[in-house]
Amino acid sequence: AQKVTQAQTEISVVEKEDVTLDCVYETRDTTYYLFWYKQPPSGELVFLIRRNSFDEQNEISGRYSWNFQKSTSSFNFTITASQVVDSAVYFCALSDRGATNKLIFGTGTLLAVQP
Amino acid sequence: GAVVSQHPSRVICKSGTSVKIECRSLDFQATTMFWYRQFPKQSLMLMATSNEGSKATYEQGVEKDKFLINHASLTLSTLTVTSAHPEDSSFYICSASLPSEGYTFGSGTRLTVV
Repeated sequence: AQKVTQAQTEISVVEKEDVTLDCVYETRDTTYYLFWYKQPPSGELVFLIRRNSFDEQNEISGRYSWNFQKSTSSFNFTITASQVVDSAVYFCALSDRGATNKLIFGTGTLLAVQP
Repeated sequence: GAVVSQHPSRVICKSGTSVKIECRSLDFQATTMFWYRQFPKQSLMLMATSNEGSKATYEQGVEKDKFLINHASLTLSTLTVTSAHPEDSSFYICSASLPSEGYTFGSGTRLTVV
Protein backbone atom coordinates (compact mmCIF):
# COMPACT_ATOMS: atom_id res chain seq x y z
CA ALA A 1 0.00 0.00 0.00
CA GLN A 2 1.07 3.53 -0.62
CA LYS A 3 1.79 5.83 2.26
CA VAL A 4 3.19 9.32 2.70
CA THR A 5 4.55 10.49 6.03
CA GLN A 6 5.20 14.06 7.01
CA ALA A 7 6.57 13.79 10.50
CA GLN A 8 6.55 17.52 11.17
CA THR A 9 3.07 18.59 12.17
CA GLU A 10 3.91 22.24 12.71
CA ILE A 11 6.98 24.35 12.13
CA SER A 12 7.47 27.93 13.20
CA VAL A 13 10.30 30.05 11.87
CA VAL A 14 11.21 33.69 11.77
CA GLU A 15 11.23 35.48 8.46
CA LYS A 16 14.39 35.01 6.39
CA GLU A 17 15.21 31.70 8.01
CA ASP A 18 15.59 28.63 5.82
CA VAL A 19 13.21 25.76 6.53
CA THR A 20 13.04 22.16 5.33
CA LEU A 21 9.83 20.16 5.24
CA ASP A 22 10.34 16.42 5.34
CA CYS A 23 8.47 13.82 3.32
CA VAL A 24 8.96 10.07 3.40
CA TYR A 25 6.96 7.76 1.17
CA GLU A 26 6.23 4.07 0.79
CA THR A 27 5.26 2.31 -2.40
CA ARG A 28 5.83 -1.01 -4.12
CA ASP A 29 5.52 0.53 -7.56
CA THR A 30 8.62 1.14 -9.63
CA THR A 31 6.92 3.97 -11.48
CA TYR A 32 5.39 6.67 -9.36
CA TYR A 33 5.12 10.40 -9.04
CA LEU A 34 5.70 12.69 -6.11
CA PHE A 35 4.12 16.08 -5.59
CA TRP A 36 4.17 19.02 -3.24
CA TYR A 37 1.16 21.27 -2.76
CA LYS A 38 0.61 24.42 -0.75
CA GLN A 39 -2.74 25.03 0.94
CA PRO A 40 -3.26 28.58 2.19
CA PRO A 41 -6.13 29.37 4.60
CA SER A 42 -8.50 29.79 1.65
CA GLY A 43 -8.32 26.02 1.17
CA GLU A 44 -7.34 25.91 -2.47
CA LEU A 45 -4.45 23.65 -3.36
CA VAL A 46 -1.52 25.29 -5.10
CA PHE A 47 0.67 22.97 -7.16
CA LEU A 48 4.39 23.38 -6.45
CA ILE A 49 6.22 20.50 -8.09
CA ARG A 50 5.89 17.07 -9.67
CA ARG A 51 8.73 14.58 -9.86
CA ASN A 52 8.70 11.10 -11.42
CA SER A 53 10.49 8.16 -9.91
CA PHE A 54 13.10 8.01 -12.64
CA ASP A 55 14.29 11.54 -12.19
CA GLU A 56 16.35 11.99 -9.07
CA GLN A 57 17.72 15.34 -10.03
CA ASN A 58 17.19 17.95 -7.41
CA GLU A 59 15.28 21.00 -8.50
CA ILE A 60 15.43 24.64 -7.60
CA SER A 61 12.76 27.19 -8.36
CA GLY A 62 13.46 30.58 -6.90
CA ARG A 63 13.48 30.24 -3.12
CA TYR A 64 12.15 26.69 -3.34
CA SER A 65 14.22 23.55 -3.74
CA TRP A 66 13.51 19.87 -3.59
CA ASN A 67 15.74 16.95 -2.68
CA PHE A 68 14.59 13.57 -4.01
CA GLN A 69 16.44 10.52 -2.71
CA LYS A 70 15.11 7.12 -3.72
CA SER A 71 17.59 5.36 -1.43
CA THR A 72 15.82 6.80 1.60
CA SER A 73 12.38 7.20 -0.03
CA SER A 74 12.39 10.87 0.76
CA PHE A 75 11.34 13.96 -1.11
CA ASN A 76 12.15 16.95 1.07
CA PHE A 77 11.23 20.54 0.38
CA THR A 78 13.32 23.55 1.41
CA ILE A 79 12.28 27.17 1.45
CA THR A 80 15.19 29.56 1.54
CA ALA A 81 14.84 32.97 3.16
CA SER A 82 11.25 32.30 4.22
CA GLN A 83 8.64 35.00 4.01
CA VAL A 84 5.37 35.56 5.85
CA VAL A 85 3.49 34.74 2.64
CA ASP A 86 4.95 31.24 2.82
CA SER A 87 2.76 30.53 5.85
CA ALA A 88 0.44 27.69 4.87
CA VAL A 89 -0.06 23.96 5.14
CA TYR A 90 2.20 22.02 2.81
CA PHE A 91 1.31 18.56 1.58
CA CYS A 92 3.51 15.95 0.02
CA ALA A 93 1.63 13.46 -2.17
CA LEU A 94 2.28 10.25 -4.08
CA SER A 95 0.63 8.82 -7.18
CA ASP A 96 1.07 5.47 -8.86
CA ARG A 97 -0.35 6.83 -12.10
CA GLY A 98 -0.79 3.85 -14.49
CA ALA A 99 -2.32 1.60 -11.84
CA THR A 100 -5.13 3.20 -9.85
CA ASN A 101 -4.00 6.71 -10.64
CA LYS A 102 -4.86 7.76 -7.10
CA LEU A 103 -3.11 10.68 -5.45
CA ILE A 104 -2.44 9.98 -1.81
CA PHE A 105 -1.60 12.85 0.50
CA GLY A 106 0.65 13.02 3.51
CA THR A 107 -0.61 14.43 6.77
CA GLY A 108 0.66 17.91 5.99
CA THR A 109 2.97 20.35 7.71
CA LEU A 110 1.70 23.68 8.97
CA LEU A 111 4.38 26.29 8.39
CA ALA A 112 4.12 29.53 10.29
CA VAL A 113 6.56 32.25 9.32
CA GLN A 114 6.74 35.00 11.90
CA PRO A 115 7.69 38.55 10.90
CA GLY B 1 -4.29 25.56 -18.01
CA ALA B 2 -6.83 22.90 -17.16
CA VAL B 3 -9.45 24.20 -14.77
CA VAL B 4 -11.94 22.39 -12.59
CA SER B 5 -14.83 24.53 -11.43
CA GLN B 6 -16.39 23.41 -8.14
CA HIS B 7 -19.70 24.68 -6.76
CA PRO B 8 -20.89 25.70 -4.33
CA SER B 9 -17.92 27.06 -2.42
CA ARG B 10 -19.86 27.13 0.83
CA VAL B 11 -23.11 25.55 1.86
CA ILE B 12 -25.02 25.35 5.10
CA CYS B 13 -27.78 22.79 5.32
CA LYS B 14 -30.10 21.38 7.91
CA SER B 15 -29.51 17.98 9.38
CA GLY B 16 -31.31 15.30 7.40
CA THR B 17 -31.25 17.10 4.07
CA SER B 18 -29.12 16.28 1.04
CA VAL B 19 -26.50 18.45 -0.57
CA LYS B 20 -25.08 18.20 -4.09
CA ILE B 21 -21.60 19.38 -4.98
CA GLU B 22 -20.63 19.79 -8.63
CA CYS B 23 -17.27 19.69 -10.31
CA ARG B 24 -16.93 20.65 -13.95
CA SER B 25 -13.86 20.43 -16.13
CA LEU B 26 -13.95 23.62 -18.15
CA ASP B 27 -11.51 23.09 -20.99
CA PHE B 28 -10.73 19.41 -21.01
CA GLN B 29 -12.42 16.05 -20.71
CA ALA B 30 -12.05 14.34 -17.39
CA THR B 31 -12.58 10.60 -17.62
CA THR B 32 -11.56 10.22 -13.99
CA MET B 33 -12.23 12.48 -11.05
CA PHE B 34 -11.35 12.05 -7.42
CA TRP B 35 -13.27 13.22 -4.39
CA TYR B 36 -11.52 14.13 -1.16
CA ARG B 37 -12.71 15.14 2.29
CA GLN B 38 -10.67 17.24 4.66
CA PHE B 39 -11.54 17.76 8.31
CA PRO B 40 -10.08 20.82 10.08
CA LYS B 41 -6.34 20.61 10.52
CA GLN B 42 -6.20 17.21 8.86
CA SER B 43 -5.07 15.83 5.56
CA LEU B 44 -7.06 15.27 2.41
CA MET B 45 -8.56 11.82 2.54
CA LEU B 46 -9.54 10.18 -0.71
CA MET B 47 -13.20 9.18 -0.61
CA ALA B 48 -13.78 7.78 -4.07
CA THR B 49 -12.69 7.64 -7.67
CA SER B 50 -15.31 8.72 -10.14
CA ASN B 51 -15.19 7.23 -13.63
CA GLU B 52 -17.26 8.57 -16.50
CA GLY B 53 -20.02 6.20 -17.47
CA SER B 54 -19.40 3.66 -14.72
CA LYS B 55 -19.85 3.23 -11.00
CA ALA B 56 -17.55 5.06 -8.67
CA THR B 57 -14.94 3.18 -6.68
CA TYR B 58 -15.11 3.97 -2.99
CA GLU B 59 -12.28 3.82 -0.50
CA GLN B 60 -12.56 1.54 2.47
CA GLY B 61 -14.81 2.95 5.15
CA VAL B 62 -16.66 5.38 2.90
CA GLU B 63 -20.40 4.72 2.72
CA LYS B 64 -21.41 4.64 -0.92
CA ASP B 65 -25.10 5.04 -0.09
CA LYS B 66 -24.38 8.18 1.86
CA PHE B 67 -21.96 9.77 -0.57
CA LEU B 68 -23.50 9.35 -4.00
CA ILE B 69 -21.19 10.05 -6.89
CA ASN B 70 -22.37 10.53 -10.45
CA HIS B 71 -20.06 11.04 -13.40
CA ALA B 72 -22.51 11.12 -16.26
CA SER B 73 -20.45 13.12 -18.69
CA LEU B 74 -16.80 13.81 -19.46
CA THR B 75 -17.09 17.28 -17.98
CA LEU B 76 -19.23 16.82 -14.89
CA SER B 77 -18.95 14.82 -11.70
CA THR B 78 -21.25 15.31 -8.73
CA LEU B 79 -21.08 14.29 -5.10
CA THR B 80 -24.32 14.17 -3.14
CA VAL B 81 -24.18 13.94 0.62
CA THR B 82 -27.46 12.31 1.53
CA SER B 83 -29.21 12.76 4.86
CA ALA B 84 -26.41 14.98 6.05
CA HIS B 85 -25.53 15.13 9.72
CA PRO B 86 -23.24 17.47 11.67
CA GLU B 87 -20.41 14.95 11.50
CA ASP B 88 -20.46 15.29 7.71
CA SER B 89 -19.42 18.91 8.05
CA SER B 90 -16.13 19.13 6.25
CA PHE B 91 -14.22 20.55 3.31
CA TYR B 92 -14.85 18.56 0.14
CA ILE B 93 -12.58 18.94 -2.86
CA CYS B 94 -12.55 17.30 -6.25
CA SER B 95 -9.64 16.60 -8.54
CA ALA B 96 -9.13 15.45 -12.11
CA SER B 97 -6.09 13.68 -13.44
CA LEU B 98 -4.51 15.20 -16.51
CA PRO B 99 -2.76 13.52 -19.42
CA SER B 100 0.34 15.55 -18.59
CA GLU B 101 0.86 13.45 -15.47
CA GLY B 102 -0.56 16.00 -13.12
CA TYR B 103 -3.76 16.75 -11.32
CA THR B 104 -5.96 19.78 -11.16
CA PHE B 105 -8.18 20.58 -8.20
CA GLY B 106 -11.44 22.36 -7.65
CA SER B 107 -11.51 25.21 -5.17
CA GLY B 108 -13.36 23.13 -2.59
CA THR B 109 -16.73 23.20 -0.87
CA ARG B 110 -17.06 23.92 2.80
CA LEU B 111 -20.11 22.06 4.06
CA THR B 112 -21.68 22.91 7.40
CA VAL B 113 -24.56 20.80 8.64
CA VAL B 114 -26.61 22.38 11.41
